[in-house]
Amino acid sequence: AQTVTQSQPEMSVQEAETVTLSCTYDTSENNYYLFWYKQPPSRQMILVIRQEAYKQQNATENRFSVNFQKAAKSFSLKISDSQLGDTAMYFCAFKGAQKLVFGQGTRLTINP
Amino acid sequence: EPEVTQTPSHQVTQMGQEVILRCVPISNHLYFYWYRQILGQKVEFLVSFYNNEISEKSEIFDDQFSVERPDGSNFTLKIRSTKLEDSAMYFCASSESRGDTYEQYFGPGTRLTVT
Repeated sequence: AQTVTQSQPEMSVQEAETVTLSCTYDTSENNYYLFWYKQPPSRQMILVIRQEAYKQQNATENRFSVNFQKAAKSFSLKISDSQLGDTAMYFCAFKGAQKLVFGQGTRLTINP
Repeated sequence: EPEVTQTPSHQVTQMGQEVILRCVPISNHLYFYWYRQILGQKVEFLVSFYNNEISEKSEIFDDQFSVERPDGSNFTLKIRSTKLEDSAMYFCASSESRGDTYEQYFGPGTRLTVT
């Protein structure tokens, strides 16, 4: 069974700083997808970024980028030039055939 | 932009009562999912549904739970006799296919409170 671990329950940075959220996972599958979801206080799940396991190039979406290390089974999220609106819970998720498996989440606070 | 919708946004019910949570997936999607998030915890998979039958379910999805696609648009989750520990946020999701390239789109969730 797949597992996803986020070792940082909470993080806090100043506005405009760069922050990196960690995620590791465990799987025996070779083809899979990894995601980062953002959950603001409204509790809606918003997809931030996705990474295909077969791609070596790290995914990037504007201020959001990932560092995908397949051999180490590591998938960290970097947020550059952080903004107050980035304050939220962030969940790392693994997808094999069907279901998503989520980590415990990291509560990120951006301070003015 | 098409989106997944869920009703109600908040449901309060008494222990032992039946509840039905409703979802309208994106219209051309074929795979449907329910997830649960107890307050302060991670999101957990409950069940996936395709071609009018359950394709996968978790240990949480016991006999108290059932899913149905009663018409061409709605996808429902029924909890037959609610327990206090069923209090959670319930998310519906849909995807175009189950293949790896197809991401799941989440609805806004239904907050279920069992008293």
